[in-house]
Amino acid sequence: GQQVMQIPQYQHVQEGEDFTTYCNSSTTLSNIQWYKQRPGGHPVFLIQLVKSGEVKKQKRLTFQFGEAKKNSSLHITATQTTDVGTYFCAGWGGANNLFFGTGTRLTVIP
Amino acid sequence: GAGVSQSPSNKVTEKGKDVELRCDPISGHTALYWYRQSLGQGLEFLIYFQGNSAPDKSGLPSDRFSAERTGGSVSTLTIQRTQQEDSAVYLCASSLGQGVNQPQHFGDGTRLSIL
Repeated sequence: GQQVMQIPQYQHVQEGEDFTTYCNSSTTLSNIQWYKQRPGGHPVFLIQLVKSGEVKKQKRLTFQFGEAKKNSSLHITATQTTDVGTYFCAGWGGANNLFFGTGTRLTVIP
Repeated sequence: GAGVSQSPSNKVTEKGKDVELRCDPISGHTALYWYRQSLGQGLEFLIYFQGNSAPDKSGLPSDRFSAERTGGSVSTLTIQRTQQEDSAVYLCASSLGQGVNQPQHFGDGTRLSIL
């Protein structure tokens, strides 16, 4: 079955350092979405990528979709304590449901 | 309210009991999803409703799990004869139209604990 894996599972960074999480799918995705879940909260939609090789930016966050549409990355520049949480990628494989990645839990040390 | 509403927020019950979890999606959202999230884990898809179409039940882990969506709005997830491994946070999400290309809006979830 379809699987979406994320690495790393955990990441601890000093405030001000950069952070990247990688998402890899076993199958080609029609699009990919990224969500952020704060501790004790629910996932919140961040962005969607649709085109092969697409790059989108939201302030300090940069999202990329791979050329083969099987992988994606989220890069945060100069992390802040407000960036703490778990970041999930989620891919549509053409079926009715979203396959969520395993998530990367980010801790930012002030 | 403007968001997805779930109730109860917490549920503690004894093994073997039945439980019902409720989800009230955002008004106008035709797609509704149920997920399960165990502690520190990712989201496990359970079931998907789209309008009046037959639901996609492919993620339900066993026949003890069932869900309904009445009138295309409120949904109820029922777990019969609960077991300890059913303990998790059950999240509901809704989206506009059919799922692809639509962001999902999540409720705060129901934290289910089976004693």
